[in-house]
Amino acid sequence: AQKVTQAQTEISVVEKEDVTLDCVYETRDTTYYLFWYKQPPSGELVFLIRRNSFDEQNEISGRYSWNFQKSTSSFNFTITASQVVDSAVYFCALSDVFGNEKLTFGTGTRLTIIP
Amino acid sequence: DTGVSQNPRHKITKRGQNVTFRCDPISEHNRLYWYRQTLGQGPEFLTYFQNEAQLEKSRLLSDRFSAERPKGSFSTLEIQRTEQGDSAMYLCASSFTAGLAGIQETQYFGPGTRLLVL
Repeated sequence: AQKVTQAQTEISVVEKEDVTLDCVYETRDTTYYLFWYKQPPSGELVFLIRRNSFDEQNEISGRYSWNFQKSTSSFNFTITASQVVDSAVYFCALSDVFGNEKLTFGTGTRLTIIP
Repeated sequence: DTGVSQNPRHKITKRGQNVTFRCDPISEHNRLYWYRQTLGQGPEFLTYFQNEAQLEKSRLLSDRFSAERPKGSFSTLEIQRTEQGDSAMYLCASSFTAGLAGIQETQYFGPGTRLLVL
């Protein structure tokens, strides 16, 4: 069975600080995908990144960066120089590539950026 | 290209009533998924379609729930005899799959329908 753990339920940081959101996953599959989604108060899940299990390169997109480490089954997300607009709930998800490709989500981390 | 749309955005109903939600996926996306999200939790998979075929249903989907995608485009999710435990956000997502083994495409989500059963 697949499982995603986001141990941080809520995080608050002051604007312009850096913040890292943790994600630990469990799967028996050797091929899988990991995702991060952002859910602002409006409720819509906004896609941020997709990562294949064979690609362990870290990725940077503007103020966002992701650190994928298969050795520790982690896929952590860092926001640099946080802004108030980053306030949202962030979900990490794991796919079932050779099944129905459904996503298994963590319970999310609520991030609040304090101006 | 427009994103995934869902209607209605909010629905309040009394226990025992039937409700129906609609999802319009991104054009050309052949897969459509339904998820349910309760307060403080991540979305949970309910069912999915490839074109018009419903290929899998989660055990979460009781026999009071039925989903259709009659022409392989929009989908409807109906809940019969609603219960207070059905109160949740119902999310729809779509993706395009070419059927290549080991390749997972991104699922794009709609804004959700928030259901409150009184």
